Amino acid sequence: EADIYQTPRYLVIGTGKKITLECSQTMGHDKMYWYQQDPGMELHLIHYSYGVNSTEKGDLSSESTVSRIRTEHFPLTLESARPSHTSQYLCASGQRGTKNIQYFGAGTRLSVL
Amino acid sequence: AQSVSQHNHHVILSEAASLELGCNYSYGGTVNLFWYVQYPGQHLQLLLKYFSGDPLVKGIKGFEAEFIKSKFSFNLRKPSVQWSDTAEYFCAVNSGGSNYKLTFGKGTLLTVNP
Repeated sequence: EADIYQTPRYLVIGTGKKITLECSQTMGHDKMYWYQQDPGMELHLIHYSYGVNSTEKGDLSSESTVSRIRTEHFPLTLESARPSHTSQYLCASGQRGTKNIQYFGAGTRLSVL
Repeated sequence: AQSVSQHNHHVILSEAASLELGCNYSYGGTVNLFWYVQYPGQHLQLLLKYFSGDPLVKGIKGFEAEFIKSKFSFNLRKPSVQWSDTAEYFCAVNSGGSNYKLTFGKGTLLTVNP
């Protein structure tokens, strides 16, 4: 089982602030993902990466950006937070060739006031 | 685009009752199927998966699921639930042609009363 860490777990921030949600995994997985999840709703993929220097947008349009400079690290950044960004953000990772088994972090619950 | 439907938003059971959570998907080709569970305050964990072979798969904690191709279904079952099974359960599908995409259902919240 993968060890995947997200910080912070909870974040309350004012409108207009720049924030970075951290995600790190220790299993050397090639693939990493960011999902957005609202209560009672399905997870929506917002970003993914196949490896270092590879990032792609997911199905759900998001104003956030991501980077993948190191295999183990996949931070998500919001340049100017808005109340509409209030949600839970889940990071996941998986290894190429495992039929897309994904391992999830505990999530960051973001509230933008 | 593929989609996943979980029929029950909230299921409430007493301990020792049997459980069946429905999951249907829309993709007609080769699929990989998953059930994830999220216990209160914890991260999503893989409960079980189906790739091929025996359509009845067994997972952790006594859960099993049956893949019925003709019905596009992958229902989750447990013969006798415990209070500790209280959690949210998500069905997810990966179509064979996708290298990255998991499509999730909206989840079913299971509450087990002692």
